[in-house]
Amino acid sequence: EVQLVESGGGVVRPGGSLRLSCAASGFTFDDFGMTWVRQAPGKGLEWVSGINWNGGSIGYADSVEGRFTISRDNAKNSLHLQMNALRDDDTALYYCVRSSARDGFHVWGQGTMVIVSS
Amino acid sequence: DIQMTQSPSTLSASLGDRVTITCRASQIIGSWLAWYQQKPGKAPHLLIHKASILESGVPSRFSGSGSGTEFTLTISSLQPDDFATYYCQQYNSYSGTFGQGTKVEIK
Repeated sequence: EVQLVESGGGVVRPGGSLRLSCAASGFTFDDFGMTWVRQAPGKGLEWVSGINWNGGSIGYADSVEGRFTISRDNAKNSLHLQMNALRDDDTALYYCVRSSARDGFHVWGQGTMVIVSS
Repeated sequence: DIQMTQSPSTLSASLGDRVTITCRASQIIGSWLAWYQQKPGKAPHLLIHKASILESGVPSRFSGSGSGTEFTLTISSLQPDDFATYYCQQYNSYSGTFGQGTKVEIK
């Protein structure tokens, strides 16, 4: 079964840091790009960051550029998002997503909640 | 950056209605357009990729069309399971911009 399981969410104060992780299973991990998509409470979907199959190409939304760092470990079938200098508006459910030009954002995890609050 | 604009933001419709949602890209994206359905408390679900290719298991009442900058999602006959929020997205292998969403409500 193809599966993505996120972890690492929680409550953090403004200016703090969190590291999200995503464990992938059921598919050949290094055949696909991987992305993080977030959804603030009651709001729409926002692409946060993405990384191609070998880590050679990386992108960030303007809203997180310079604060977040995406990485992947193909040997461990895992994706990570290091989030620094967190702000109130980073509060959201963060989804790990398998992505490809072949078929879009095809597989989604259930998400991990990040709450930034003083 | 490419901006995606969906219309309408909310759509009230009855069972059996034909429903059309429009998505416009701020620049030409070819056919690199996907549609997702999201229900409350659930992760989004991919319906259509490359503008018109229906995902396996998605009912045939869903269809997508368009290329370049103008795209549509059509539900030919609205069913109870279709009341949800729909998002368009331009994408590549590791990035993508979403539209703001269209909530389909019961009339």
